[in-house]
Amino acid sequence: EVQLVESGGGLVKPGGSLRLSCAASGFTFSSYGMYWVRQAPGKGLEWVASVSDTSRDIYYAHSVTGRFTISRDNAKNSVFLDMISLRAEDTAVYYCGRSGGWGPREEIDYWGQGILMIVSS
Amino acid sequence: SYDLTQPPSVSVALGQTARMTCGGNNIGSQRVHWYQQKPGQAPVLVIYSNHNRPSGIPERISGSASRNTATLTISGAQVGDEADYYCQVWDSATGVFGGGTKLTVL
Repeated sequence: EVQLVESGGGLVKPGGSLRLSCAASGFTFSSYGMYWVRQAPGKGLEWVASVSDTSRDIYYAHSVTGRFTISRDNAKNSVFLDMISLRAEDTAVYYCGRSGGWGPREEIDYWGQGILMIVSS
Repeated sequence: SYDLTQPPSVSVALGQTARMTCGGNNIGSQRVHWYQQKPGQAPVLVIYSNHNRPSGIPERISGSASRNTATLTISGAQVGDEADYYCQVWDSATGVFGGGTKLTVL
């Protein structure tokens, strides 16, 4: 059974930093691209970042470019989102997702349960 | 940037057919994916690459796309189908979601 479990969320001050982690199990992690998608309270889904199976291809939404970094550790079956210079508008539930294939531009066929990050003073 | 337009809400009578649209420039040439999200839950993939159903998704859920509109169709709508539905495409290296449609089953 495919499982994606996010961790690392919480309350952070504006301008602060945080690392989200996503632990994957139930599939050959190194063969799939991975995503982060977020959802602000009461709002729709927003794609944040993608990474291919080998980390060769990495993409970011314009709203987070230069502030967020996606990475993965295939030996630990984990994907990460490092966030700096956080703003109130980054407040959201962050979902980890698995690509339907090796690349970072496929459907998101499995989603984690999401982790809430609140940016507030 | 590429935009996807979804109606904010769609209502359907119990047992009838619901059609939810996703508008985008030449979307018929894209691979469109659809996700269902129930309150308090993570999204679930219901259609990928325009018309393909993941395992476990019933046949009464279908998708199509042509020219500037993609459509998600739910036949025999049930109370359990009430949810928000999002379309999604990749515009070059950028992931794009529509604003979502709230489906209400009356």
